[in-house]
Amino acid sequence: GAVVSQHPSWVICKSGTSVKIECRSLDFQATTMFWYRQFPKQSLMLMATSNEGSKATYEQGVEKDKFLINHASLTLSTLTVTSAHPEDSSFYICSARDPPDRDLVAFFGQGTRLTVV
Amino acid sequence: QKEVEQDPGPLSVPEGAIVSLNCTYSNSAFQYFMWYRQYSRKGPELLMYTYSSGNKEDGRFTAQVDKSSKYISLFIRDSQPSDSATYLCAMGGAQKLVFGQGTRLTINP
Repeated sequence: GAVVSQHPSWVICKSGTSVKIECRSLDFQATTMFWYRQFPKQSLMLMATSNEGSKATYEQGVEKDKFLINHASLTLSTLTVTSAHPEDSSFYICSARDPPDRDLVAFFGQGTRLTVV
Repeated sequence: QKEVEQDPGPLSVPEGAIVSLNCTYSNSAFQYFMWYRQYSRKGPELLMYTYSSGNKEDGRFTAQVDKSSKYISLFIRDSQPSDSATYLCAMGGAQKLVFGQGTRLTINP
C-alpha cells in the first residue's frame, strides 16, 4: 500500500509554545490529506481536511487559529499547534488518499504523540 | 444514533480461535468499507477494503459486507498473538470516512 510518513513520532513541549507536525506521502501525490486527533481508547476524531493549494476545511468545534494547517505541495501537509496547552496533549494522526483507483481508501501516518507540560 | 456503531470490547480469545468483529451503520449512502488495525501508539494500518456487498478474502482475513442489513464483519482465522490490537471499521460515500469506535482484541497464547 501507499506510504505516509509522519514526523515527529513524539514531542514534548512547554505550555505556550508552538509545535509543528509534518505529514508526507512518500510514493504518491496526495491532493487531500486529513488530520485526526485520538484520545486514549477512543476512535479517530477528524479535525480538518487539508487541500493542496487552498485553505483547509475544519470540522465543527476545531479552532482554526489554534490548529494551523498548511498543504503547500502534493506530498506535504503540516499541522501547527499554536500556543499549546496541556489539554492539547493527544495523539495526532494524518492520513492521505491514493487516488484514483482506490477512491476513499486512506493510508495513515505513524501518528505523533504530543505532550504539553 | 451514531452513523457507525462498533462494540469496543475488549474481546479476548485463545490463540487459534476464529475472531468475528462487526460494525453496523445507518447511512445507506456509504459505498466504501474498510478495516484498519491499530497497535498501541501507532497509526492505523489498512487491512482490507471493499466497495460491494459480499465477501473478500486475504490470507487469514475475510471481510464481509451486507448492505441490505447495513452490517459489516471482519473474520480472522487461526488467530495469533500478533493479531492483538484495536480493529477499526471505516466507511464512506462522499469525501469523508467515518470510523467506528474500535474493538480491542487480545489473542491469548
